[in-house]
Amino acid sequence: AQSVAQPEDQVNVAEGNPLTVKCTYSVSGNPYLFWYVQYPNRGLQFLLKYITGDNLVKGSYGFEAEFNKSQTSFHLKKPSALVSDSALYFCVLKGNYGQNFVFGPGTRLSVLP
Amino acid sequence: NAGVTQTPKFQVLKTGQSMTLQCAQDMNHNSMYWYRQDPGMGLRLIYYSASEGTTDKGEVPNGYNVSRLNKREFSLRLESAAPSQTSVYFCASAPGPYATEAFFGQGTRLTVV
Repeated sequence: AQSVAQPEDQVNVAEGNPLTVKCTYSVSGNPYLFWYVQYPNRGLQFLLKYITGDNLVKGSYGFEAEFNKSQTSFHLKKPSALVSDSALYFCVLKGNYGQNFVFGPGTRLSVLP
Repeated sequence: NAGVTQTPKFQVLKTGQSMTLQCAQDMNHNSMYWYRQDPGMGLRLIYYSASEGTTDKGEVPNGYNVSRLNKREFSLRLESAAPSQTSVYFCASAPGPYATEAFFGQGTRLTVV
């Protein structure tokens, strides 16, 4: 069975500081991993994905994520947080032979001015 | 290029009423999905369709029916709405079963009173 965990419901960080949003996963076979962001009363926006290759993936708005196979993790990072980064972040998993995209519960990021 | 379009954006129903949520994509995708989003639970899959004329149950199908009459459209029907179906509903599409990205609509906020 596939599953995604986001151990923190809420992450608070000061503007200008680095941010990390954590994600761990469980899947048989090789995973496809994604980060999506949801701003208040908006749909889901794609940030980045890991399919294969380089473990450090760069995405939109200065975000990046590091795939760690031994720790089954895919943490989202940004070197310097902005107040406008405040949103709900979802880690998403898809098995490479599976149909479905499995969502984590989401982590609410608050960047404080 | 509209991508994935959902209608309506907002809806209030009385318990026992029925309605259909519409979803259309213009990307010639084979796979389409319906998810519901509830606080602290991420997005959970209701139904998906791998191709025109085929549908399969997801994690939370009870109380819903779907129809994939053509490649563009995938509708979700609530036959007798219940307060537990108050949620935000997202439709998504992807090129096929081995797709490495899904595209989401803007969501439908449904309240059942």
